[in-house]
Amino acid sequence: NAGVTQTPKFRILKIGQSMTLQCAQDMNHNYMYWYRQDPGMGLKLIYYSVGAGITDKGEVPNGYNVSRSTTEDFPLRLELAAPSQTSVYFCASSYAGPNSPLHFGNGTRLTVT
Amino acid sequence: AQRVTQPEKLLSVFKGAPVELKCNYSYSGSPELFWYVQYSRQRLQLLLRHISRESIKGFTADLNKGETSFHLKKPFAQEEDSAMYYCALFATNKLIFGTGTLLAVQP
Repeated sequence: NAGVTQTPKFRILKIGQSMTLQCAQDMNHNYMYWYRQDPGMGLKLIYYSVGAGITDKGEVPNGYNVSRSTTEDFPLRLELAAPSQTSVYFCASSYAGPNSPLHFGNGTRLTVT
Repeated sequence: AQRVTQPEKLLSVFKGAPVELKCNYSYSGSPELFWYVQYSRQRLQLLLRHISRESIKGFTADLNKGETSFHLKKPFAQEEDSAMYYCALFATNKLIFGTGTLLAVQP
């Protein structure tokens, strides 16, 4: 039982490039989330999903897109990378809503130069 | 506005000393509060939630609605308690995190 798996662990992008951060969970959780954490800041919610085919914006969705075609996968897409997107990205899942225990991935450290 | 404040970036104590990690929240509704912890080289994980009223690894947290606080306490710190601690508030169907406090327990 791997829990929540994020890939890659590290990535350096040039301004304007695009990439997809992968997230998969094997716990059959309905809820999945993407957070970003900037230095000295708390985690900010980017997007979340309450089930396959359903996604919604969080606090800081600009510059990102998500999809949820299956229960297991919740990829995060950056279309035109900007330096402001340099951050650590965490994917998480929970069985019920965010007031049930969140299970986090190990994070992806992204640098945009 | 809904907000979680953790005023201390770093808290350094000696082994065996009491620990109190501060958390204050701003929310007009009935709050649900949580403490998450990240040990070195491990994932962020739930430590405890106020509705459970439980003690986990010797830590407790009491919700004080009058002071809008949810401080995390442990009477005797251990070296293995060294970690990053995040307070979180469940509000308007989202989990709002504080900026975190790094607890360093010195031998």
